[in-house]
Amino acid sequence: KQEVTQIPAALSVPEGENLVLNCSFTDSAIYNLQWFRQDPGKGLTSLLLIQSSQREQTSGRLNASLDKSSGRSTLYIAASQPGDSATYLCAPCSGNTGKLIFGQGTTLQVKP
Amino acid sequence: KAGVTQTPRYLIKTRGQQVTLSCSPISGHRSVSWYQQTPGQGLQFLFEYFSETQRNKGNFPGRFSGRQFSNSRSEMNVSTLELGDSALYLCASSYRTGGITEAFFGQGTRLTVV
Repeated sequence: KQEVTQIPAALSVPEGENLVLNCSFTDSAIYNLQWFRQDPGKGLTSLLLIQSSQREQTSGRLNASLDKSSGRSTLYIAASQPGDSATYLCAPCSGNTGKLIFGQGTTLQVKP
Repeated sequence: KAGVTQTPRYLIKTRGQQVTLSCSPISGHRSVSWYQQTPGQGLQFLFEYFSETQRNKGNFPGRFSGRQFSNSRSEMNVSTLELGDSALYLCASSYRTGGITEAFFGQGTRLTVV
């Protein structure tokens, strides 16, 4: 049974800092992993998808890494901005279905 | 390409009533999954439909049910509503290609049970 843990649960930083959000999962037999962003009361926005055969994936100021064997993924946010304030969720995909298992997320606040 | 559309966005119901939520997936996506999000439990998987068949089911009581139509649109039904069913219900459509499954979420339906 896949279990996902995200650390830290909450983070408050001044604008401009570089950040690392951590995600660990118990079942390393995954096909891919997605990072999502959620603004309060809204749906999830897909940020990055990293395939199990990849080590890294980049989009703008975001970089996700994946170490499948150890069950870890990190999301690196460079030069954080107040607009980055949101909850970030990771979701490994373990089967050939659409079922995703989520952790509790990391709630990020970037102060101007 | 239109995204995932959920209707209605907000809903207020009374205990004991039933409710139906709707989800229209991205065109061409055959998989639709439903999730319940509450402050205490986080995001929990309810069920997944693929080509009109339930493919996966989470650990929820039988009051929660769903279906998928031939055009891939999906509905979720909750009968005999309880206060604890108050939550944000999210729908995701996904597609699989080259061994990769990517999910896209709608904006959710906020259900309040009073």
